[in-house]
Order: sequence, then structure tokens, then C-alpha cells
Amino acid sequence: AQSVTQPDARVTVSEGASLQLRCKYSYSATPYLFWYVQYPRQGLQLLLKYYSGDPVVQGVNSFEAEFSKSNSSFHLQKASVHWSDSAVYFCALNNNAGAKLTFGGGTRLTVRP
Amino acid sequence: EAAVTQSPRNKVAVTGGKVTLSCNQTNNHNNMYWYRQDTGHGLRLIHYSYGAGSTEKGDIPDGYKASRPSQENFSLILELATPSQTSVYFCASGGDGERLFFGHGTKLSVL
Repeated sequence: AQSVTQPDARVTVSEGASLQLRCKYSYSATPYLFWYVQYPRQGLQLLLKYYSGDPVVQGVNSFEAEFSKSNSSFHLQKASVHWSDSAVYFCALNNNAGAKLTFGGGTRLTVRP
Repeated sequence: EAAVTQSPRNKVAVTGGKVTLSCNQTNNHNNMYWYRQDTGHGLRLIHYSYGAGSTEKGDIPDGYKASRPSQENFSLILELATPSQTSVYFCASGGDGERLFFGHGTKLSVL
């Protein structure tokens, strides 16, 4: 079975501060991992993805994530957040053997101006 | 950019009624998905499909059916809607292990 846990349902930071959103996964092998963002009243959009190789992956809008097999984690980071980054962020896992994509519960990010 | 279109955008249904949510994608993706989104649960997979004629159960299939009559279309069917199925439903499409493209969602209220 595969699962994704985002331990922080809500995160609030000030504009210009650094950010880390946590993601832990459970899967027996190395999965494909994704971060998606959902802006109000919209569907999800891809931020970045990890398949293999360099554990640090770069995404859109200066987001990056680091894969750790030893910690079963895929944390999302940004050096300096902007108020427009306020949204819900989802971590997701694909078992790379087929179509099933499993999402975490999401983290709602609020950036204070 | 891949296009995934859901209809309707909003739906109010009565308990015990039949509801059909429709999804169309124009990028020839093999896989299509139906998720529901509820506060505190994130996105949960209801049904998915590998291609025309196939449907697979996701993590929460009870009370839902799915139909994939063609590569482009994937429907979610609630034969006997219940208030617990009040939610926002998202359709998505993509390839194996690839990013998904999402529709804008359907807000369903079952009274």
C-alpha cells in the first residue's frame, strides 16, 4: 500500500520569510513524487516532480523540493515567499508501475503581507 | 497545455436521485481519474481508467460508478446520491507516472 502524509494542515509565514512544507511517504520502493498547488476555486497545478537522480529538484516560481529515501520524505521549500504564494499545497506519490496517484491531505499556506 | 473540462460546474441533487458528472480531455491521455476533495481529507481517489472501456476502483469507490466510453470521456455516476457525497469533485488526465492535468472541479450538493 502507498500513502502520503502532510503533517501540517496549516502554515502561516510572513512575506519574505523562508518556507518548508513537509511531506512523508510510505512505499516499498522509490516512488515518483510530485508537489501540486491549488489556488482558490481552481484545479491543481504541478509545481515540481521527482523521478530519479539529483534529490533536489527545481520547480516553478522558485520552489524546490528535496527527496530523502532514508527519511521517506519530499519536503517543499522556498527561500522567500510572496503573498501570492498563499494556496493549498499537495504532495503526491505515484508507484511508477501504473496510473494510481495518491495525494496527501494538503497544507494550507497563508502568507502575511 | 492539456485541457480537461468538467460539467456541470455546480450541481444540486436530491437524496436518492441519480447524478452524472462528466469529464472530457483533449490531449489523448490514456489515464483519467475522479477525485473528491473534502476539508481534512485532501484528494481521495474514487475511480480511474487506463483507457476506453476500462475502469478501476480507487481508494473510496463505494456509492460511485464510472464509465469510460471513449479516450476523451470519463463519467462519474452516483446512482443513489446521499448527503455524504456532497463534495467538490475533480477530474484529471495523464500518462503513467506523469503529471496530471486537472479540471476546475464540480461542486455537488446533495440535499
